[in-house]
Parts: sequence; C-alpha cells; structure tokens
Amino acid sequence: ILNVEQSPQSLHVQEGDSTNFTCSFPSSNFYALHWYRWETAKSPKALFVMTLNGDEKKKGRISATLNTKEGYSYLYIKGSQPEDSATYLCAFKDNAGNMLTFGGGTRLMVKP
Amino acid sequence: NAGVMQNPRHLVRRRGQEARLRCSPMKGHSHVYWYRQLPEEGLKFMVYLQKENIIDESGMPKERFSAEFPKEGPSILRIQQVVRGDSAAYFCASSLDLGRSQPQHFGDGTRLSIL
Repeated sequence: ILNVEQSPQSLHVQEGDSTNFTCSFPSSNFYALHWYRWETAKSPKALFVMTLNGDEKKKGRISATLNTKEGYSYLYIKGSQPEDSATYLCAFKDNAGNMLTFGGGTRLMVKP
Repeated sequence: NAGVMQNPRHLVRRRGQEARLRCSPMKGHSHVYWYRQLPEEGLKFMVYLQKENIIDESGMPKERFSAEFPKEGPSILRIQQVVRGDSAAYFCASSLDLGRSQPQHFGDGTRLSIL
C-alpha cells in the first residue's frame, strides 16, 4: 500500500495572503506526481504533472516544486483570492502500475 | 471539446438492486479509470480499462463489482446486489495515452445512495 500524505488537512487564510502546502510520497519507484484542484460538486481539475526531480511548474499565481529523492512536493499560491478556495489533491504514480494514489487533500478557504 | 461525461449524476437504489454507472471519456481518449470516494475518505483507485480490455482491476472489490469498456459506447461500472456500504461518489477519468506527463481528466462523478 502506497502512502501519500498531505498537510495541512485544512487551511484558512485571508485574501492576499500567500500560502503553501505539502504532499509527501514514497521516494522509491517514482514515476510522476500530479496536482489537482477540486471544487465542491465539480470534477478534479489537473493543475500540474511533475516528473523530474527539481521540477518547478507555474500557472498564474500557483506554482509547485518536486523533490523525488526525499519524496515531497510543495504547492504555493501567491496572493490568495476567494476563488482559490478549493481542495487541492496530490496523486502519486509509481513505475509499476497505472493507477494514481491520492493524498487526502488540503482544503483551502480564502476569506475576503 | 466535451470533457469526461458521467451519468447519472445522482443514483438512488434500494439494497439488493443493481447500479449501472456510465462514463464517456474525452474525445480521442482510450484509457479509462474508475475511482471511488467513500464518505469521509479520499479517492481510491478501482479499475483501469482500455477499449475492450481490463488492464488493472486491483482496486475493485472481488464480488458484485464489474467494469467494461466496449468497442462502441461508454464505459460501464456495474454493481450488483448493492449494499449500504456501496454508497459513495464514483469518479471516472480518462487519458489520451500513458505518457509520463499525461494528466487524467475527471468527470463530475456519480453519487450513489443506497436506501
């Protein structure tokens, strides 16, 4: 059983604050690390797929880094807005299988 | 370009009945995955299919659950003789291929409630 952990479980920030959260995953047999944004009653939307140690990806105010040797990825949101409120999921894929193993998610709430 | 389509969005069944959940992948996608989210839990992999083939069903319960992805038409997740514990949100995802940087694109899910 693969262990993918996300912290914190939930986070309340004020509009304009910058924030970050963590995904930890097995450091062996790494293939890819996915980040998704999931709003209530909607489908998870892909943010990034990260494959190489040291990868940094950016989309607008959201960015992510990857350390496969120590088994963690950070997601950063700069200048949070109320519309950033969602659950952010990471998912690990190893080189043996086809499935994504999801973390429990970080629920972000941004207050105006 | 339509995304992954799942129907129905909500399904209510009585114990012992059958539930059929449908998933049409994104256009051009031939890889389909089913995930389940039990109450208060995260997304868990169930099964991975390509057209007419089950590739990996390691996450599927051994009894009462089956999946197919026929040559024509949507992928179907079938649950026979449903029990209360089957109440969950079932999500389908599709991908274009198995490339390392390929994301999986998710549907809005089917919320199954068992009375």
